[in-house]
Amino acid sequence: EAQVTQNPRYLITVTGKKLTVTCSQNMNHEYMSWYRQDPGLGLRQIYYSMNVEVTDKGDVPEGYKVSRKEKRNFPLILESPSPNQTSLYFCASSPRNGRSIPGANVLTFGAGSRLTVL
Amino acid sequence: RKEVEQDPGPFNVPEGATVAFNCTYSNSASQSFFWYRQDCRKEPKLLMSVYSSGNEDGRFTAQLNRASQYISLLIRDSKLSDSATYLCVVNTFSGGYNKLIFGAGTRLAVHP
Repeated sequence: EAQVTQNPRYLITVTGKKLTVTCSQNMNHEYMSWYRQDPGLGLRQIYYSMNVEVTDKGDVPEGYKVSRKEKRNFPLILESPSPNQTSLYFCASSPRNGRSIPGANVLTFGAGSRLTVL
Repeated sequence: RKEVEQDPGPFNVPEGATVAFNCTYSNSASQSFFWYRQDCRKEPKLLMSVYSSGNEDGRFTAQLNRASQYISLLIRDSKLSDSATYLCVVNTFSGGYNKLIFGAGTRLAVHP
């Protein structure tokens, strides 16, 4: 089954304790992205990756890191989590990030990771 | 001003009603448009892409008005299962890549 898999789905942690949220897709998609979703703010992009070893900041990258060593994996790292990073996180992928290519930019999302930082 | 704006709702409608959502966007260079559906605490899923001439998929009709920079979603004969949040998504080529910008969503509650 074509899917994007995130882990963990739920996590409660404490300020300053490094954590990694994994994301893996089995669709050979070039493009991957991380979003956070907060009430009233919608989905905001944290980081994205156009392909292996190509990553860039989104709109809210502060406090996060990513890597893209393999095409299928795009982990999100919180080096020193703080309470303002309490949120619902989604990883997503699309075939590619192409201009005017039908279907290329349609995102498939993971099931979400709900993170609470105390 | 937000780049993509939606009425947050909630829209409370009875089964069988017709309901319409609007979404406005600020960047006139935006190229493609989508509606996603998100159930409570679940991931967003593509409902439909929005084509320049408008398009229909069963009970759902999407329209695009580039001149006024808005898109709309019409749901006819609402079902209980249509209860969800509907996200308007605008694709704009910016900074060398296609950036998908999400609205905050419009919540729909269909009641018996």
